[in-house]
Amino acid sequence: GAVVSQHPSWVICKSGTSVKIECRSLDFQATTMFWYRQFPKQSLMLMATSNEGSKATYEQGVEKDKFLINHASLTLSTLTVTSAHPEDSSFYICSARVSGAGNIQYFGAGTRLSVL
Amino acid sequence: QQQVKQSPQSLIVQKGGISIINCAYENTAFDYFPWYQQFPGKGPALLIAIRPDVSEKKEGRFTISFNKSAKQFSLHIMDSQPGDSATYFCAAPTGTSYDKVIFGPGTSLSVIP
Repeated sequence: GAVVSQHPSWVICKSGTSVKIECRSLDFQATTMFWYRQFPKQSLMLMATSNEGSKATYEQGVEKDKFLINHASLTLSTLTVTSAHPEDSSFYICSARVSGAGNIQYFGAGTRLSVL
Repeated sequence: QQQVKQSPQSLIVQKGGISIINCAYENTAFDYFPWYQQFPGKGPALLIAIRPDVSEKKEGRFTISFNKSAKQFSLHIMDSQPGDSATYFCAAPTGTSYDKVIFGPGTSLSVIP
């Protein structure tokens, strides 16, 4: 149980284009999902908390107009990197919290974004 | 800024040995203290988690020891195997949010044959 699917696993795009990453909870309903960014050999950096049916809460320093988050259903959250630039190249990972399981998060496999 | 300190940064253990990774947190203990295992290019996977009202939890070769008074907890991997070679992250409650956690900086474990 508690499987989180993230798609795509790898995406290459040209500078200035937008990229959408999907995060789905496959066998449970996730009222709260999280989006992280991870640089090589570093820890996970929380970007935003996504709550179903409401606006996402962004961490300090994260541009909400650059990283658009939509949590339209209890099983799907999306992260759109708008007008991507090479400095946005990174490993993006989503996670979901199971209701009733406290702060335990289950992670997707991650998306490697390369902006040329 | 709330922090979770993790040590060592890297660890090399011989196959069959015991791997020990330590974490220290700053906030009030409530909810779970999980450990995650991450292989290169993959997302973290939940390994084991403990609640602060328990001092030890064991699942197979993995054991968490929790010291609430010292605000420390550790992961012990018994009979370490080459397949355990990965990066391990501890996480602790933020103290201000019931769903967010703070991750430690990670420990790179290499188990050599």
